[in-house]
Amino acid sequence: AQSVTQLDSHVSVSEGTPVLLRCNYSSSYSPSLFWYVQHPNKGLQLLLKYTSAATLVKGINGFEAEFKKSETSFHLTKPSAHMSDAAEYFCVVSDPPGNNNDMRFGAGTRLTVKP
Amino acid sequence: NAGVTQTPKFQVLKTGQSMTLQCAQDMNHEYMSWYRQDPGMGLRLIHYSVGAGITDQGEVPNGYNVSRSTTEDFPLRLLSAAPSQTSVYFCASSSSSGGLAFFGQGTRLTVV
Repeated sequence: AQSVTQLDSHVSVSEGTPVLLRCNYSSSYSPSLFWYVQHPNKGLQLLLKYTSAATLVKGINGFEAEFKKSETSFHLTKPSAHMSDAAEYFCVVSDPPGNNNDMRFGAGTRLTVKP
Repeated sequence: NAGVTQTPKFQVLKTGQSMTLQCAQDMNHEYMSWYRQDPGMGLRLIHYSVGAGITDQGEVPNGYNVSRSTTEDFPLRLLSAAPSQTSVYFCASSSSSGGLAFFGQGTRLTVV
């Protein structure tokens, strides 16, 4: 079965500095991978999705992620953090691809952005 | 553009009480799912449905029942609530083509 490991439970950055949220996955297939963001007391919002097309995926709000099969990673990055980026981020694997009923979530990474 | 609607947003139950969390979507999606979110554990799949009349168990199904009598609705039932079911519950839907999963805003349930 597929699984996801988010390597950091909490990441703190200063406003204007780069963001890196790390995610490793395991899968028997070529998976679909997602990043979702959850702002305090809100639902989940899709940031970006990888489904075996381009390995560098661009999402909303300036976020992007690179699929690296050799490293089984799908890290989320943003060049310059904004205060509004403070939230919980979830890396998700769907296996087999398109089976959105068996989406496995990572434990989440809480991003704090300092002024 | 309602998307996925969950009700209620908040609920407090006593141990042993029963209740139903409602989930409705207006996008004609075939796939619907329920997740629970607990600190440090991410979201875990409780039950899912691939279409009206079809349901299956996910990762953590014990203590929960579901049914799917219509495409639009996918209620989650707690027959006898336990404190271990204190959590935030999310309903999600997606199209049969394996498209994006849309999530509701969540239901925060406390069992005392």
